[in-house]
Amino acid sequence: DTAVSQTPKYLVTQMGNDKSIKCEQNLGHDTMYWYKQDSKKFLKIMFSYNNKELIINETVPNRFSPKSPDKAHLNLHINSLELGDSAVYFCASSQDWQQGFQGYTFGSGTRLTVV
Amino acid sequence: GENVEQHPSTLSVQEGDSAVIKCTYSDSASNYFPWYKQELGKGPQLIIDIRSNVGEKKDQRIAVTLNKTAKHFSLHITETQPEDSAVYFCAAKGGTSYGKLTFGQGTILTVHP
Repeated sequence: DTAVSQTPKYLVTQMGNDKSIKCEQNLGHDTMYWYKQDSKKFLKIMFSYNNKELIINETVPNRFSPKSPDKAHLNLHINSLELGDSAVYFCASSQDWQQGFQGYTFGSGTRLTVV
Repeated sequence: GENVEQHPSTLSVQEGDSAVIKCTYSDSASNYFPWYKQELGKGPQLIIDIRSNVGEKKDQRIAVTLNKTAKHFSLHITETQPEDSAVYFCAAKGGTSYGKLTFGQGTILTVHP
């Protein structure tokens, strides 16, 4: 049983397209995150949802829109893809940030390549 | 906001040697400091963590130390093995960060047989 699963694992698309990445966790966690890992391996937070409520919204182009239909799912939709969006996108989950926080469980990542 | 600096960026050791990775943080209210190991093609995996009310924590061959006064923390791996080769990240969680972890830049550890 995969704890945090992301689909797809690889995504190759042309500039200007719109794409979505899906994430699901079966750990019963309350909080989910999207992180972007660039070519230098740097991990930077993009968004976080706690029980379907957006709690972290870093400086990210508004072409990126997260959606959390329930606390086990967090999706990322990207409009008008640009070359600079090429990266690995990681979904993660954790227990409630206020109670019992014990770090993240990460998914295996989605490698997005924009050509 | 929180800023985490990690050194060295690359570390090469012989099997059986010890490896030490150091991080500093800027937010004195930070209270949780995890370390992650990322193998090629995989997501980061939590290997050890420490909270601000503890100075040291050990789990078999790995240990973490925290100096709150100096705002730095370190990962120590003893008796390194080739399977320890990976990218290691430190991170810090601020006191009012909604669970946000700020990561260091990563250290590529290579253990030579």
